[in-house]
Amino acid sequence: EDQVTQSPEALRLQEGESSSLNCSYTVSGLRGLFWYRQDPGKGPEFLFTLYSAGEEKEKERLKATLTKKESFLHITAPKPEDSATYLCAVHGSYNTDKLIFGTGTRLQVFP
Amino acid sequence: DVKVTQSSRYLVKRTGEKVFLECVQDMDHENMFWYRQDPGLGLRLIYFSYDVKMKEKGDIPEGYSVSREKKERFSLILESASTNQTSMYLCASSPAFGLADTQYFGPGTRLTVL
Repeated sequence: EDQVTQSPEALRLQEGESSSLNCSYTVSGLRGLFWYRQDPGKGPEFLFTLYSAGEEKEKERLKATLTKKESFLHITAPKPEDSATYLCAVHGSYNTDKLIFGTGTRLQVFP
Repeated sequence: DVKVTQSSRYLVKRTGEKVFLECVQDMDHENMFWYRQDPGLGLRLIYFSYDVKMKEKGDIPEGYSVSREKKERFSLILESASTNQTSMYLCASSPAFGLADTQYFGPGTRLTVL
């Protein structure tokens, strides 16, 4: 069964303190891995799609990487406005009709 | 930019009422989805549609139905609302079926059933 596990559940960082969020997945033939940012009370906002192991994508202070078993979202020198819940989802080849979501990592960045 | 809109940000209904949640996307996407999001459970797929008048059940379709009469509009219907349907409801759309294409989400509707 396709599965996505995100860790840690919650992360508190000081402004400027770099760290990484993990997304481990089990899927029968990965066709895409997605990262979203979600602010409280709002819908998820798309960040990145990764399609194959070794692929990397960057946007401002965020960098997403992908291996055959997991993805990392690296946050470099975070700012308080980076505080949000970060969601990971996978699209497997035998579940072409839906995304499988993790439960997210809640990030808080303090000034 | 892709834009997905939902008819209400907050909704309060009583047990037994019929509830309509509307979603509209402006990017001519073929696929549309309805999820609910609950603390600790993540996003769970209720129904999706890959074409007008087509619908497919997701993981938790019980107690819900959907309607897609036009390509840009996808409605979620709670035939008789119950308290366990209190949740955040999220609509999403994507441009193709069968490909690993990105789903774009609306702002969500926070539904409370009393």
